[in-house]
Amino acid sequence: DSGVTQTPKHLITATGQRVTLRCSPRSGDLSVYWYQQSLDQGLQFLIQYYNGEERAKGNILERFSAQQFPDLHSELNLSSLELGDSALYFCASSAEGGRGEKLFFGSGTQLSVL
Amino acid sequence: QKEVEQDPGPLSVPEGAIVSLNCTYSNSAFQYFMWYRQYSRKGPELLMYTYSSGNKEDGRFTAQVDKSSKYISLFIRDSQPSDSATYLCAMTDFGNEKLTFGTGTRLTIIP
Repeated sequence: DSGVTQTPKHLITATGQRVTLRCSPRSGDLSVYWYQQSLDQGLQFLIQYYNGEERAKGNILERFSAQQFPDLHSELNLSSLELGDSALYFCASSAEGGRGEKLFFGSGTQLSVL
Repeated sequence: QKEVEQDPGPLSVPEGAIVSLNCTYSNSAFQYFMWYRQYSRKGPELLMYTYSSGNKEDGRFTAQVDKSSKYISLFIRDSQPSDSATYLCAMTDFGNEKLTFGTGTRLTIIP
């Protein structure tokens, strides 16, 4: 168990809908990262937050947004969902927001858009 | 062309064999190189972490980085059925926290 908790584990929704994915980082970790994993693209970095502030942005669509709350948990909001948004969404956390070392991943949220 | 290329496999080898997994990359700015292991329906877990060129060994695992060739490898000695998983290479440049991953190689160790 990595100590990173993601909910829900599975989410099935329809096109055009909006969903929220939740992540609780390991105790004491200040950085939260969101990644999207699909069969054709592999793991793609979406966004990173460090102690409540956005630190780095990757290939995140404008329909997607995230935030990190004062208790350090994070939410990823996906809106106007399309079939192509179906993927496994991972949250990861690290203590310092460094260069990838000691990055701990949660078990992911499987999103299916029908 | 993707920044990081990784043969997706699948790769099947008998128990006890030496496994070689590889990635090539195009961005010469990458300085930090990692290998992650991902079991089915689980998140990736960090196996090896190396900085710049050279070798690093940890038990049955050895990571090699050749920056001149933009080529990294992971060797698994005395492979076990429990090593069956998808292996992902990942890398990042100095001061850039976001990781660029390969698409992963699915490995099966046959008892």
